Parts: sequence; C-alpha cells; structure tokens
Amino acid sequence: SQTIHQWPATLVQPVGSPLSLECTVEGTSNPNLYWYRQAAGRGLQLLFYSIGIDQISSEVPQNLSASRPQDRQFILSSKKLLLSDSGFYLCAWSAHGTGDNYGYTFGSGTRLTVV
Amino acid sequence: AQKVTQAQTEISVVEKEDVTLDCVYETRDTTYYLFWYKQPPSGELVFLIRRNSFDEQNEISGRYSWNFQKSTSSFNFTITASQVVDSAVYFCALSEAYMEYGNKLVFGAGTILRVKS
Repeated sequence: SQTIHQWPATLVQPVGSPLSLECTVEGTSNPNLYWYRQAAGRGLQLLFYSIGIDQISSEVPQNLSASRPQDRQFILSSKKLLLSDSGFYLCAWSAHGTGDNYGYTFGSGTRLTVV
Repeated sequence: AQKVTQAQTEISVVEKEDVTLDCVYETRDTTYYLFWYKQPPSGELVFLIRRNSFDEQNEISGRYSWNFQKSTSSFNFTITASQVVDSAVYFCALSEAYMEYGNKLVFGAGTILRVKS
C-alpha cells in the first residue's frame, strides 16, 4: 500500500535561518507531488507541484523553493526564513496518468513557527 | 476556470443536532471529481469521499451523507446526530478527470465545524 511520510512534525526556526522540509512516498512510482501551506485559520494554498524528477512548477512567488531529487522525494526549502513563512505545511501525492482519480493523499504536516 | 465555494465560514451546533455543510462548484469540464476532506485539530487532512460527475447517486456512510446535484452544481455534506469528535475543518475540492500533467485539486476555503457537548 502507498504511504506518505513528512518530517519534521514541528519546527521552530529563527528569522533568517534556512529551512528544509522533506516528504517521501512509498508504494508507488512516478507520483505527482504537491506542497501546500495553511496559514492559521486559513485555507490551503498550493505552493509547488511536480509531475516528475526535477520538474517543479511554482504556483505563487515565495521565499521558498522546492526540489525533487528522486522520484518519490519532494523537498521544500528556504535560504532565509521570514516571519510570514510560519504556517502548517502539507505534502501530498496523487497518481500520475489517466487512471481513476482518487484525489490526493496528504502527509501529516509540519507546523513551522518562525520567531 | 474551476472554483469551489464554501460559503459557511464557521458553524456551531450542539451535540446530536444535524448539520449540513454546503459546497458549490464551477467547472466547464463534463467529467470531473468532487471530494470532501476532514481536517481535525491534529492537522492531517483525511479523505472522506469522492464522487465522479457521472454518478449522481447520493451516498450514506454511517452518520455522514452526501447530496450531489449537478443541476445546482452542489455537493453538500450532512452529518446526522453530530458528535464532539466531528469538530474539525471540512474542505470540499474539485478536480478534472485525470490527475496527469499536474492537474490539481481546487479546494474551497473550508468550513469550521464546532460541535458543543
């Protein structure tokens, strides 16, 4: 069965420090991968999505970047965090191709607080 | 363009009351999927249901039921005899038929449901 792992679960980082959040998927190949952010009390904002290795699309100009060095690994990074980067970050995957659409499966999320 | 509207920002009910969460969508596609996700206080999004645009049968799963009406572009979610554990944020979402080429789920803004004992 497919599983998605996301870590760390919580993170407190000072302003100006770097960030690296990792997400891995098991039990499937060539998944579509997504990074979402949820600010406190807000909806889900799509940050990046990827349809393959080194194929990243950015939805919103950010202080963030994403990389996909391996098929089932998706990394969210920042060189210098801002206070506004605080939020709840969710990774998700979906099946790639013309098969039946089961939507997304989400990771457990990372709660980032920038202080 | 696709769009999902959840007009109810927050709903408060007392335990055992029935509650309906509204979802209205817009799409030009003839084939699409609709979803509901639950986000409990822990934060993880939990899949509840998906519905293909060709299947307008309503669905019931325990205390949960979903009413899909293409004529009004709505996919409403009803919880019968609500419980405190139902307290969460609920998201309605829409996608094109196939999740290839990075097709994305479009989420509504979410409805916060508070069930008081």
